[in-house]
Amino acid sequence: QKEVEQNSGPLSVPEGAIASLNCTYSDRGSQSFFWYRQYSGKSPELIMSIYSNGDKEDGRFTAQLNKASQYVSLLIRDSQPSDSATYLCAVYYGQNFVFGPGTRLSVLP
Amino acid sequence: GAVVSQHPSRVICKSGTSVKIECRSLDFQATTMFWYRQFPKKSLMLMATSNEGSKATYEQGVEKDKFLINHASLTLSTLTVTSAHPEDSSFYICSAVLRQGGGEKLFFGSGTQLSVL
Repeated sequence: QKEVEQNSGPLSVPEGAIASLNCTYSDRGSQSFFWYRQYSGKSPELIMSIYSNGDKEDGRFTAQLNKASQYVSLLIRDSQPSDSATYLCAVYYGQNFVFGPGTRLSVLP
Repeated sequence: GAVVSQHPSRVICKSGTSVKIECRSLDFQATTMFWYRQFPKKSLMLMATSNEGSKATYEQGVEKDKFLINHASLTLSTLTVTSAHPEDSSFYICSAVLRQGGGEKLFFGSGTQLSVL
């Protein structure tokens, strides 16, 4: 059973702070990793993808991958109230995408 | 990013009727699409995997005769909820796999909120 785990939260951070979201996965053979943002009542939106160890930056978002530890994280710098959402970690296994349960982030003004 | 269009966005129907939801990949071809349902404040639940030109693969516990999936072209998959009942009320979301550069990415439609009276 392929598993992806996340802390469900809620994670609360003040506006302007760095939000750190974490995810672990069970299958060492996984090659592709994704972060999605889902606002309440909306569908998930792809915000980051990462395929190799290390950091990948896109604007205020940084994804970090450590395959040896089977760990992927998402950092959001200068957090804004508009970043308040549920963040889903997803891992691509063979033909399937397996999603974590999501972490609810709340950015307080 | 790639665009996946899903219609309708909201539907209200009477118990016993059937509802069809369409999912289209607008700017890419998708051999694989997935259908999910989601209850408020709950996780995504994968219902089925839809492969173009073949029968859908349903997850355990999902009734294939109730949730009919058709993926007749590389840009269109449909989900038909047959003889809908109030317990079928949920948020249904489709997604399509974009394959490029040796990697895959998953893009979601905007979802369909189904309310069965």
